[in-house]
Amino acid sequence: GIQVEQSPPDLILQEGANSTLRCNFSDSVNNLQWFHQNPWGQLINLFYIPSGTKQNGRLSATTVATERYSLLYISSSQTTDSGVYFCAVYPGANSKLTFGKGITLSVRP
Amino acid sequence: GAGVSQSPRYKVAKRGQDVALRCDPISGHVSLFWYQQALGQGPEFLTYFQNEAQLDKSGLPSDRFFAERPEGSVSTLKIQRTQQEDSAVYLCASSLAREQYFGPGTRLTVT
Repeated sequence: GIQVEQSPPDLILQEGANSTLRCNFSDSVNNLQWFHQNPWGQLINLFYIPSGTKQNGRLSATTVATERYSLLYISSSQTTDSGVYFCAVYPGANSKLTFGKGITLSVRP
Repeated sequence: GAGVSQSPRYKVAKRGQDVALRCDPISGHVSLFWYQQALGQGPEFLTYFQNEAQLDKSGLPSDRFFAERPEGSVSTLKIQRTQQEDSAVYLCASSLAREQYFGPGTRLTVT
């Protein structure tokens, strides 16, 4: 099946810093989503982005489908950005999402 | 509007007990998914419904796991004769097109 690798596995930032989170996938995809899992375990949708670039406030994402990677940018980080960030994909007509292992982000005040 | 809801939020079961976990999808969402998330890992697919039809159950770990969605709305994941390795968070997601929206999960602890 498709492989999803996220890097770096852990990231510690000072409040106000910028960061880039990366997601590589091993096959072409029809869906790519970025999620933030908060400390209570809720998966919050950040972006649905199978290709192209989107922005939402301090967050933006870019997926280059032909090169099989996606990037999530966080600017001016805040302590509330802390948590685990997941990239998830599904290839072809198969609807089940395959998740990466996640990136644990800690933003310190 | 209302998101995906799940109940109970927490469940403690003694080994060997049966449990039933409920998922209420977003109204009108045709597709419903169940995932299992072990501690420190990403969610893993269990099963998928389109309306009331279970189209993929390839992720169910054993025949002790059973899911249903009889009227194409609410879904129940049932685990029979629970084992310690079943301890995990069980997440439900629904979608209208391709983007999936997740519920808060049910944390199952088997003692």
